[in-house]
Amino acid sequence: RKEVEQDPGPFNVPEGATVAFNCTYSNSASQSFFWYRQDCRKEPKLLMSVYSSGNEDGRFTAQLNRASQYISLLIRDSKLSDSATYLCVRRGNTGFQKLVFGTGTRLLVSP
Amino acid sequence: DAGITQSPRHKVTETGTPVTLRCHQTENHRYMYWYRQDPGHGLRLIHYSYGVKDTDKGEVSDGYSVSRSKTEDFLLTLESATSSQTSVYFCAISESIGLDTQYFGPGTRLTVL
Repeated sequence: RKEVEQDPGPFNVPEGATVAFNCTYSNSASQSFFWYRQDCRKEPKLLMSVYSSGNEDGRFTAQLNRASQYISLLIRDSKLSDSATYLCVRRGNTGFQKLVFGTGTRLLVSP
Repeated sequence: DAGITQSPRHKVTETGTPVTLRCHQTENHRYMYWYRQDPGHGLRLIHYSYGVKDTDKGEVSDGYSVSRSKTEDFLLTLESATSSQTSVYFCAISESIGLDTQYFGPGTRLTVL
């Protein structure tokens, strides 16, 4: 089983829709989590961090469920510019604390 | 945006040739990383550096070596390129290891024929 698993999508939604992605992880000792956004042929960029009970940033809400070992990303009022691949990332809490990346979920927002 | 550049941005080479990719940062961050990104895989760590001349292996380090002689530069070398090393290579930097964010460079698209 992969350490971080995501549905690759694509998720096709119209502008203004609400869309949610889930990401499951296998290492219960994971310390913290992040959502990165990656546009086509570009570098990943941090979208938001997810600590303890989750957090909200404008139209974006991230939740963490440690009991079920998943995190989610909710995007409200989708914009065309939200079209991208969203990478789920976890950080370990031992040693080097490396980041482990999921393969990403692709979102396509249409007019 | 964090000041990270990578060179070259695109390269096509032949199997068996040596290749060096360069990452340059202007942020004076201590930690630097090399990742590769391939379809069906998340970004995978090749090597990282925690200071000048201090480097360590990541999860896919075979066939790669690195050097860091200055804070701002982190070089990734493929001693003898193979077709399996065709990939997009990203450099990243971070100020610390703990809860700190990693910032990525624009990437280098390498094709080994």
